[in-house]
Amino acid sequence: EDKVVQSPLSLVVHEGDTVTLNCSYEVTNFRSLLWYKQEKKAPTFLFMLTSSGIEKKSGRLSSILDKKELFSILNITATQTGDSAVYLCAVIMDSNYQLIWGAGTKLIIKP
Amino acid sequence: NAGVTQTPKFQVLKTGQSMTLQCAQDMNHEYMSWYRQDPGMGLRLIHYSVGAGITDQGEVPNGYNVSRSTTEDFPLRLLSAAPSQTSVYFCASRRVFEDYGYTFGSGTRLTVV
Repeated sequence: EDKVVQSPLSLVVHEGDTVTLNCSYEVTNFRSLLWYKQEKKAPTFLFMLTSSGIEKKSGRLSSILDKKELFSILNITATQTGDSAVYLCAVIMDSNYQLIWGAGTKLIIKP
Repeated sequence: NAGVTQTPKFQVLKTGQSMTLQCAQDMNHEYMSWYRQDPGMGLRLIHYSVGAGITDQGEVPNGYNVSRSTTEDFPLRLLSAAPSQTSVYFCASRRVFEDYGYTFGSGTRLTVV
């Protein structure tokens, strides 16, 4: 069965800390992996990763994919209270372009 | 450019009632989908469509119907609401062969009592 597993399920850190969120996957036809941030409403797109070892970066956020070990990480440096959200990982299937979603990591940043 | 518009934002139903969640997009996206999101379970695909007149079931289709008569609209129907359908529902659309271009609606919080 195809699945995407995120860890930890929740994380509480203090402002200024660096966090690493994990996403591992087992799918039969991997195409690419997506990271989304979800605050109170709809998920918003962060990164798409297709190739191993190439870091994607946007400000204090970065992400990388390891297609050999079947996982991705999302790093957030110098965290701010505005980073508090649920971070979702999803894998796009190559066969039908469907998404398989992880359960998300709830990140809480304390001031 | 409105993107994906979902209505209503909130709804309370009694068990056995029926209703339709509306979803409309103005980006000419071929692919439209409905997800439900429950605590600790991420997003689960209910139904999807790759174009007008074409629909298919996702992971959790039971209790829901869809139709796609136009490219723009993809309504989700609950024929006889059950408490297990209490959830947050998201409509999302994209170009069929675009990897990352998912655009989400703002969601509908549905409570069935």
